[in-house]
Amino acid sequence: DVQLVESGGDLVQPGGSLRLSCAVSGFTFSDHYMDWVRQAPGKGLEWVGRIRNKERSYTTEYAASVKGRFTISRDDSKNSLYLQMNSLKTEDTAVYFCVRGHSNSSPGGYWGQGTLVTVSS
Amino acid sequence: QAVVTQEPSLTVSPGGTVTLTCGSSTGAVTSGHWPYWFQQKPGQVPRTLIYDTTNKYSWTPARFSGSLLGGKAALTLSGAQPEDEADYYCWLSYMGLRVFGGGTKLTVL
Repeated sequence: DVQLVESGGDLVQPGGSLRLSCAVSGFTFSDHYMDWVRQAPGKGLEWVGRIRNKERSYTTEYAASVKGRFTISRDDSKNSLYLQMNSLKTEDTAVYFCVRGHSNSSPGGYWGQGTLVTVSS
Repeated sequence: QAVVTQEPSLTVSPGGTVTLTCGSSTGAVTSGHWPYWFQQKPGQVPRTLIYDTTNKYSWTPARFSGSLLGGKAALTLSGAQPEDEADYYCWLSYMGLRVFGGGTKLTVL
C-alpha cells in the first residue's frame, strides 16, 4: 500500500525555521514527482511546491507565497521528502501535506495525513 | 498567477445529479492543465477522486466522473448520496505550477 507519513510539525516563533519530513513507502519513490500542499485552519487547500525526479534533475517549483523562503528537497536513498521553511510568518500556520505526484507510469494524488505547523509568538 | 474558480456552494437532492466546475482566469481549461479533483470531508485528509481530467482511482465511486465542459473542467456526480456531502477542490497545472480552486461546498439535501 502507498503510504506517506509527515513529521516535524511544531510551534515556532515568527521569523523562525522548521524542517518537515515525509517518509514514503509502497511505491518507487525515485520515479515520482512530489508536492507539498497546505491548509490553514478553516481554509482551503494551497499548493506549496513541487520537486521533480532525478530524470528531471530534481528541479523545483514554488508558489509565490513561499518562494525564496521555503525549499523542497528529497533523498531517494531514504525514500524521504523534505520541506525546509525559513522566515516563517503567522500566515504559514497550516497543516502541511505531502502528496505523491505522477511518474511516467503512475498517477499522483496520494496524500499523507499531514503535520501541523503553528507560527505564533 | 492564475486564479482558479469554483462555485462556492451547491446543493443536490439525494439521487440527483450535479456538476461542479473549475475555471481558469487565463482562458479555457484544457487537458493540458491536467485537472485533478479532490474530496474533503470535515476533519479528514483530502482524497483524490479524478486525475488528468477524466481518470478515476480504484476508490473513486462510479457515480463521479470528470470531463471538460464549456471551457472548464467539470466533476459530475450522478445519483448523489448523503455521504457525498463534502468540500470539493480542483487543481490545475500551469507550466509546472499548480493552483487550487477555492473549493465548492456540496450539500446533499
